[in-house]
Amino acid sequence: AQRVTQPEKLLSVFKGAPVELKCNYSYSGSPELFWYVQYSRQRLQLLLRHISRESIKGFTADLNKGETSFHLKKPFAQEEDSAMYYCALSPSGQGGSEKLVFGKGTKLTVNP
Amino acid sequence: NAGVMQNPRHLVRRRGQEARLRCSPMKGHSHVYWYRQLPEEGLKFMVYLQKENIIDESGMPKERFSAEFPKEGPSILRIQQVVRGDSAAYFCASSRSRAGANVLTFGAGSRLTVL
Repeated sequence: AQRVTQPEKLLSVFKGAPVELKCNYSYSGSPELFWYVQYSRQRLQLLLRHISRESIKGFTADLNKGETSFHLKKPFAQEEDSAMYYCALSPSGQGGSEKLVFGKGTKLTVNP
Repeated sequence: NAGVMQNPRHLVRRRGQEARLRCSPMKGHSHVYWYRQLPEEGLKFMVYLQKENIIDESGMPKERFSAEFPKEGPSILRIQQVVRGDSAAYFCASSRSRAGANVLTFGAGSRLTVL
């Protein structure tokens, strides 16, 4: 069964500190992985996807197939990064990401 | 572009009543997806529709739930005879084509509370 685990429900760091939001997945094939973010009172929006291999707002995430992880990292957290972060998986061969499997989310708070 | 519009944003129903949630996709998008988020849980896929067609409803509960996306008008998620366990946030997303090539754009969600 496909599963996405975000072990930390809450994560609190100080401004300027490095931040890592953990995501582990369970899937036998080759999934596509995503990070979605929801800022306060805003809609869920895509932050980044592993196939793009890009850095968005200073965040990066590397797919580690050996450890089945897709942790989200930023070297210097900013207060505006405070939000709910969801890791999501799209099973391969499903024709697209419409059947995203989401983790339960991690609430990141960046303190001044 | 107003994005994906969902209404109502909040809906309160008593057990046994019907709930209807509406979703208007982004302009130019013809693919609609519904997800449900139970308290303390992640979003779970329910159904994928194109205009007048249900493409994948593998995530829909077998009873009481139905979805449609008519030729004209918004997509509707209908829950009949609601129970307390239906209380959740229901998110709609849309894409221009099949989501493999496009990113899903999410609506703000509709929060259903069943008393």
